[in-house]
Amino acid sequence: GENVEQHPSTLSVQEGDSAVIKCTYSDSASNYFPWYKQELGKRPQLIIDIRSNVGEKKDQRIAVTLNKTAKHFSLHITETQPEDSAVYFCAASKGASGGSYIPTFGRGTSLIVHP
Amino acid sequence: SQTIHQWPATLVQPVGSPLSLECTVEGTSNPNLYWYRQAAGRGLQLLFYSVGIGQISSEVPQNLSASRPQDRQFILSSKKLLLSDSGFYLCAWTLPYLSVNTEAFFGQGTRLTVV
Repeated sequence: GENVEQHPSTLSVQEGDSAVIKCTYSDSASNYFPWYKQELGKRPQLIIDIRSNVGEKKDQRIAVTLNKTAKHFSLHITETQPEDSAVYFCAASKGASGGSYIPTFGRGTSLIVHP
Repeated sequence: SQTIHQWPATLVQPVGSPLSLECTVEGTSNPNLYWYRQAAGRGLQLLFYSVGIGQISSEVPQNLSASRPQDRQFILSSKKLLLSDSGFYLCAWTLPYLSVNTEAFFGQGTRLTVV
């Protein structure tokens, strides 16, 4: 099955700095890579995703890059703000036989943005 | 629009007691349904997933079980809770196929404390 590794487990930055979280996956057939943000005590929610037919996607201060050859993808947050503090999860999935879609999550990165 | 309901939000149960957590989805048909556990400081551990009524796949052997008696209802159960069952349990759903919108939607979570 798919295996997703996520690093670092904890990331501490100063407000205004950039933050980068990296994930690798094992199954070359994976073709959908979402990122979720989980604020303390709340449910994870999708913030950005990328499909295997593109190499980069950007939405305001966040961007995701994908390197299919190396099987890794990254989340980039620029001009970090204290409200960016949360746990971030990457995931990988593919359309399996029978049409099922089962995401595999990374272990999460706790991002702390110091004012 | 689609919504997901999970209850209860918090639960304190003695060791050896039974458990029943319920999750229902509205506004979609034949979703894939998932139960995750998130221990303190840990990532999202997939416990069970279901691609249809009565179809349950277990990812991790344990004293928990899951059932899907209706298309949009997913239940997590245990006959006898262990201290190690404490954690934050999340129900989630996705569309059953890779399409334009295939993000995972999470319930509010259940904070279970076994004492």
